[in-house]
Amino acid sequence: AQSVSQHNHHVILSEAASLELGCNYSYGGTVNLFWYVQYPGQHLQLLLKYFSGDPLVKGIKGFEAEFIKSKFSFNLRKPSVQWSDTAEYFCAVNAYRDDKIIFGKGTRLHILP
Amino acid sequence: DARVTQTPRHKVTEMGQEVTMRCQPILGHNTVFWYRQTMMQGLELLAYFRNRAPLDDSGMPKDRFSAEMPDATLATLKIQPSEPRDSAVYFCASGLGSGNQPQHFGDGTRLSIL
Repeated sequence: AQSVSQHNHHVILSEAASLELGCNYSYGGTVNLFWYVQYPGQHLQLLLKYFSGDPLVKGIKGFEAEFIKSKFSFNLRKPSVQWSDTAEYFCAVNAYRDDKIIFGKGTRLHILP
Repeated sequence: DARVTQTPRHKVTEMGQEVTMRCQPILGHNTVFWYRQTMMQGLELLAYFRNRAPLDDSGMPKDRFSAEMPDATLATLKIQPSEPRDSAVYFCASGLGSGNQPQHFGDGTRLSIL
């Protein structure tokens, strides 16, 4: 069965700091990978996705993620965070041709102004 | 922008009462998912449908929860009888299926069972 592990439950950074949120998944086959963001009191929104091709994926709001197949990882990065990036971030994996997306437990990111 | 619509946004009720949550998926989407979000468990998949047929409800307590899609524009999640441990935010999401399309989430129903 697929599973997703997010390394940090809670991250606190100052504005302009660089961000990297870890995500590892377990599944031996072809996968599709996602990062979703949930701002306080809101629904989950797609940040970026990887299906195939260039393993470095760029998303909205300056976020990017790198798929490293050998490490089963899909870490999220942003070079300089803003206060408005305060949110919860979910990594998710989907097995090729499966409908279901399996979510990690999320990382709460708090940016200090 | 097309949106997944969920009603009600908030629900407070007493233990033992029936709760019905509704979801209108994005027009043209053929998969619908119900999730429950709590602080302790994170985001859990309760059930999902493809082309209105239930494909997996293994995440749902069968004795009190039921999920249906009476038509392509409406999905429902019912809890009867409700219990305090059911308090959570329930999200509906819809997608185009095949997995390589992202799911689009509704705003959720925040449920409190007293």
